[in-house]
Amino acid sequence: GAGVSQSPRYKVTKRGQDVALRCDPISGHVSLYWYRQALGQGPEFLTYFNYEAQQDKSGLPNDRFSAERPEGSISTLTIQRTEQRDSAMYRCASSLAPRGSSNQPQHFGDGTRLSIL
Amino acid sequence: GNSVTQMEGPVTLSEEAFLTINCTYTATGYPSLFWYVQYPGEGLQLLLKATKADDKGSNKGFEATYRKETTSFHLEKGSVQVSDSAVYFCALNQAGTALIFGKGTTLSVSS
Repeated sequence: GAGVSQSPRYKVTKRGQDVALRCDPISGHVSLYWYRQALGQGPEFLTYFNYEAQQDKSGLPNDRFSAERPEGSISTLTIQRTEQRDSAMYRCASSLAPRGSSNQPQHFGDGTRLSIL
Repeated sequence: GNSVTQMEGPVTLSEEAFLTINCTYTATGYPSLFWYVQYPGEGLQLLLKATKADDKGSNKGFEATYRKETTSFHLEKGSVQVSDSAVYFCALNQAGTALIFGKGTTLSVSS
């Protein structure tokens, strides 16, 4: 497709379960970002990839959160042993240029709404 | 650290009214500034951007000017429409790094 695609659109799971959220960026986009957005707040940075390399994971809240982008395209954000406080909208964005180069805009997907019961 | 502060909403206007949503920022160096919009049921979309001081970003009748002296990037539109009802986010980044967003301002326009 032409835009950033995220799946699933909605995910409801019980506390303690693992979840995997998928992001398919715009074709050819080098940079991929994950953000988390709580209700009534702006998105907050989680982690960043340049091609397949995870270059910044400073925003991941704890070691239950991990992300990968093994072939430099699709990325998966995994949350292990989910807790209710993990409930949020998880957003993925991609950008044409690598971080630190000319400032290309970030294009966002529709997000995954995660609810932990 | 870098941060963005935008006016709290909701902002409620009648159609054809003038819109201003205030945004100020704190940053070292020379960030790029953005406005993103989220229409009901949709994802975040880039509305406009400015990459250096005194630049004016514009799109769909919206404008914002990068004011370094006041560290501001206020969003304006001369005549709003019902279809402009959405949540608006001011954001900044530096050299392609992660975006830092404000909390968002909800705009509701009635006919």
